[in-house]
Amino acid sequence: GIQVEQSPPDLILQEGANSTLRCNFSDSVNNLQWFHQNPWGQLINLFYIPSGTKQNGRLSATTVATERYSLLYISSSQTTDSGVYFCAGILNSGGYQKVTFGTGTKLQVIP
Amino acid sequence: EAQVTQNPRYLITVTGKKLTVTCSQNMNHEYMSWYRQDPGLGLRQIYYSMNVEVTDKGDVPEGYKVSRKEKRNFPLILESPSPNQTSLYFCASSLEGTPVTQYFGPGTRLTVL
Repeated sequence: GIQVEQSPPDLILQEGANSTLRCNFSDSVNNLQWFHQNPWGQLINLFYIPSGTKQNGRLSATTVATERYSLLYISSSQTTDSGVYFCAGILNSGGYQKVTFGTGTKLQVIP
Repeated sequence: EAQVTQNPRYLITVTGKKLTVTCSQNMNHEYMSWYRQDPGLGLRQIYYSMNVEVTDKGDVPEGYKVSRKEKRNFPLILESPSPNQTSLYFCASSLEGTPVTQYFGPGTRLTVL
């Protein structure tokens, strides 16, 4: 099966600070995604990133597939960044397309 | 507007009373999936479908059924709900037959008494 572990579980930041969230995943993961769940429960897709680096505004993500980890960077954090960040590992194997989420990093950005 | 819709959004029911949570997407997506979210456990995949008439189990399929008779709809059926199925349920869809970019519905909060 797929194992996905996230750290830290909780994070409190002052507005304007930068942060790095980490996701470790098992050998069976072929692809990786990052999601944000806002305080109202809505889930938003941030990145689909099996390897390499992607950037979208103040957010960027890097996946080093050979070392089985991915990092999500948040720069100049804003209160609207608060919520829970999930990474999800995807197993693509023949007829399988399974998704396993980590338990998330809960981020609180305070003014 | 491109979206994934779920109904109902909130449901309180009793043990053993069959229920269906509907999920519909208007984006012509092939891949659809159901997840449950519980405190401390993140989201766990229940079932997924790579296309019409193609479904497979996720990590926690026990107690649930699904069907995919048409591309836009992917209902989740609880034949005999139990209290341990009290949870927040999300439906998601993705354009291709893989969960490359998943779009999530608003969630259904289910309470089984």
